[in-house]
Amino acid sequence: AQSVSQHNHHVILSEAASLELGCNYSYGGTVNLFWYVQYPGQHLQLLLKYFSGDPLVKGIKGFEAEFIKSKFSFNLRKPSVQWSDTAEYFCAVNAGTGRRALTFGSGTRLQVQP
Amino acid sequence: EAEVAQSPRYKITEKSQAVAFWCDPISGHATLYWYRQILGQGPELLVQFQDESVVDDSQLPKDRFSAERLKGVDSTLKIQPAELGDSAMYLCASSLATPTGELFFGEGSRLTVL
Repeated sequence: AQSVSQHNHHVILSEAASLELGCNYSYGGTVNLFWYVQYPGQHLQLLLKYFSGDPLVKGIKGFEAEFIKSKFSFNLRKPSVQWSDTAEYFCAVNAGTGRRALTFGSGTRLQVQP
Repeated sequence: EAEVAQSPRYKITEKSQAVAFWCDPISGHATLYWYRQILGQGPELLVQFQDESVVDDSQLPKDRFSAERLKGVDSTLKIQPAELGDSAMYLCASSLATPTGELFFGEGSRLTVL
């Protein structure tokens, strides 16, 4: 069975600080990897995704993530956070066929202070 | 932009009562998911439909939960009888039946069981 671990439960940063949120998955085969974001009072929405090819993927709002297969990791990064990035971030994985539902991590709550 | 519609947004009920949630996916999305998100945790899959057929309901507590998608479009999730531990956000998501696996989420139905 696939599983996802997010090590940081709550992160507090000041504006302009750099961000890196950890995500590790457990699955033996080919995977698709996702980061979703949930802004306060809004629904979950996709930030970025990786299926194949370049392991460094860029998403919306200046976010990027790097897939490191040897480490089973898919960490999310942003060089300079803004107050508007305050949200909850979820890493998710599914099997490479894409037929299976996403398995989500427990989430990281990011609080950006102005 | 097309959205996944869910109702009701909020539901308060007493334990042992029956509750039902409704979801209308994005038009043309063959795959529909119901997830449960307990406060402070990531979404957990309850059931996945492909058109009107159940693909995965292995995590659905079938003694009290049921889900249907009779015409392969909208879906209903029912709980009977509700228990205190069922208090959570119930999320509906839909996706195209392609290997990309990207899910589009509704705003959720928050259930409080007293």
